[in-house]
Amino acid sequence: QSVLTQPPSASGTPGQRVTISCSGSRSNIGRNTVNWYQQLPGTAPKLLIYRNNQRPSGVPDRFSGSKSGTSASLAISGLQSEDEADYYCAAWDDSLNVWVFGGGTKLTVL
Amino acid sequence: EVQLVESGGGLVQPGGSLRLSCVVSGFTFSDYWMSWVRQAPGRGLEWVANIKQDGSDKYYVDSVKGRFTISRDNAKNSLYLQMNSLRAEDTAVYYCAREESGYRALDYWGQGTLVTVSS
Repeated sequence: QSVLTQPPSASGTPGQRVTISCSGSRSNIGRNTVNWYQQLPGTAPKLLIYRNNQRPSGVPDRFSGSKSGTSASLAISGLQSEDEADYYCAAWDDSLNVWVFGGGTKLTVL
Repeated sequence: EVQLVESGGGLVQPGGSLRLSCVVSGFTFSDYWMSWVRQAPGRGLEWVANIKQDGSDKYYVDSVKGRFTISRDNAKNSLYLQMNSLRAEDTAVYYCAREESGYRALDYWGQGTLVTVSS
């Protein structure tokens, strides 16, 4: 059971916009920024969004993040086949003194 | 170019020990907190431990406390994870990751090393 809650799956057709939610608590998302990671099959996770809504260099602006209270979301617009991957949210938890992750959302491009 | 390269994984029997290493390059290692994160086969990501720049502070997930020890050698640009009393549920790919303290994120990851605990 992950500390952060994500839907196990999401899907969309090419060109569509999809969103993935991430729910936490006051001690993690409520007090700290949220990061999102993309993990393509057989590869290491890659930082996609940091500080709730910032994109590292090289990440397309089709990817965006937001946070409100103890929840966050990742939006992918103009969906492409190469976006098919697992997506994880993460935040530091001030009460547990650990990094906490969501269980991951498997995105399928139909 | 930032690079993190893990090694030391393998097959070990329950109750056994293993030491993982992570050698980094492309950044000033001693300026960063570092973490270990693991992923069991077909499962999600689980953070394991982290260590402060000078090694003075360390944090662990409850499931590994008392069994795993994180350490670092800044002169060798290396991060370690000593794993003792290994259990089947420790089977996973173990990643080392750099922590960017400024914006609180695990921003660079290695390719991972597989640890299999089985008799």
